[in-house]
Amino acid sequence: RKEVEQDPGPFNVPEGATVAFNCTYSNSASQSFFWYRQDCRKEPKLLMSVYSSGNEDGRFTAQLNRASQYISLLIRDSKLSDSATYLCVVNNTPHQAGTALIFGKGTTLSVSS
Amino acid sequence: DTAVSQTPKYLVTQMGNDKSIKCEQNLGHDTMYWYKQDSKKFLKIMFSYNNKELIINETVPNRFSPKSPDKAHLNLHINSLELGDSAVYFCASSQAGGLAGLRNTGELFFGEGSRLTVL
Repeated sequence: RKEVEQDPGPFNVPEGATVAFNCTYSNSASQSFFWYRQDCRKEPKLLMSVYSSGNEDGRFTAQLNRASQYISLLIRDSKLSDSATYLCVVNNTPHQAGTALIFGKGTTLSVSS
Repeated sequence: DTAVSQTPKYLVTQMGNDKSIKCEQNLGHDTMYWYKQDSKKFLKIMFSYNNKELIINETVPNRFSPKSPDKAHLNLHINSLELGDSAVYFCASSQAGGLAGLRNTGELFFGEGSRLTVL
């Protein structure tokens, strides 16, 4: 089983739609969770962290369910500029030297007018 | 000013050749990484250095050799290139040795990538 799994999509939605992405992780000891965004042929960039209580940043809401080892990202009122690949990211060993971020394969979103 | 810069951006070469990719960060970060993104877009950690010391060395063929002359630079040398080495190689950096930095912000700063094509 892969460490971080996501539905690859693509998700094709019209402008203004609400879209949700899901992600599961395999290591129950995982401590830190993030969503990154990668535009076509560009480098990944941090979108937001995911906190246990859930958190919101404008139109973006991230949720974490530790019991189910499940992370979600909700985008409301989709814009054309939201078209990108969204990467679910887990840091398994934040308290050890040599930790690194583990990336899911990403979910591709295409927003059309 | 580019925070994490890598060169070259594109590299086309023949099988069996040896090539290097260079990376520099001007963010004052302690930790640098090499990630590989293959044709299926899967981004996978290869190496990590903290203050010039190798701290992560994933299962990567020993044809790949990283080198960090100082904490602002991390280069990747690849010997005897194979077709399967074709990918985009991303350099990245984070603050505080991949520990406090990642634990607190989860922010890796990536370079623009070096697209390697082996013919």
